[in-house]
Amino acid sequence: DGGITQSPKYLFRKEGQNVTLSCEQNLNHDAMYWYRQDPGQGLRLIYYSQIVNDFQKGDIAEGYSVSREKKESFPLTVTSAQKNPTAFYLCASSRGQGFSYEQYFGPGTRLTVT
Amino acid sequence: SQQGEEDPQALSIQEGENATMNCSYKTSINNLQWYRQNSGRGLVHLILIRSNEREKHSGRLRVTLDTSKKSSSLLITASRAADTASYFCATDAYSGAGSYQLTFGKGTKLSVIP
Repeated sequence: DGGITQSPKYLFRKEGQNVTLSCEQNLNHDAMYWYRQDPGQGLRLIYYSQIVNDFQKGDIAEGYSVSREKKESFPLTVTSAQKNPTAFYLCASSRGQGFSYEQYFGPGTRLTVT
Repeated sequence: SQQGEEDPQALSIQEGENATMNCSYKTSINNLQWYRQNSGRGLVHLILIRSNEREKHSGRLRVTLDTSKKSSSLLITASRAADTASYFCATDAYSGAGSYQLTFGKGTKLSVIP
């Protein structure tokens, strides 16, 4: 988990509320990513960012929003429009955004919405 | 979309035995990566193998890649209880405008019994 922090580890929210998950890295990586993991499933890409002030939608961006105002920070907002937000959210970063780069992951945030 | 698919879904072995996990994918790749995830934690990168490589070693890990069969295998030799985790393969997928993203399989859950 070294170099990438996610907070909080557990998050509980009521349905209809927006919630923001924090992701910070001190690896000086250009690219950052947000994934969602459901029980027994692989990771699905929500959003990614190659450079500051730029980001692209992944496979399941609906109901989520991001910002990349600083190189080291890539917060994810889960909006009330996300129909099934309860999941384990993982943030990752990599030195570049090409296919040759390994990704470094944070410890994850488990979000429960009731 | 999930390109990689691991097999078996779950594997239980005795400490000291070897563990083999397989990954199949659908379209051509530039490289394939293997990651490990301990329960409730983030993923940790294990090894990257390029499409022009057939075999790669790292400690007790051996990865093979057969691009003609679109498959890869991860072998963990002399397993330890600490190897208990889920293992994911990830392949690169072109996502447009010169960008690539990793697509993850659903993983193989390995249990090593002491």
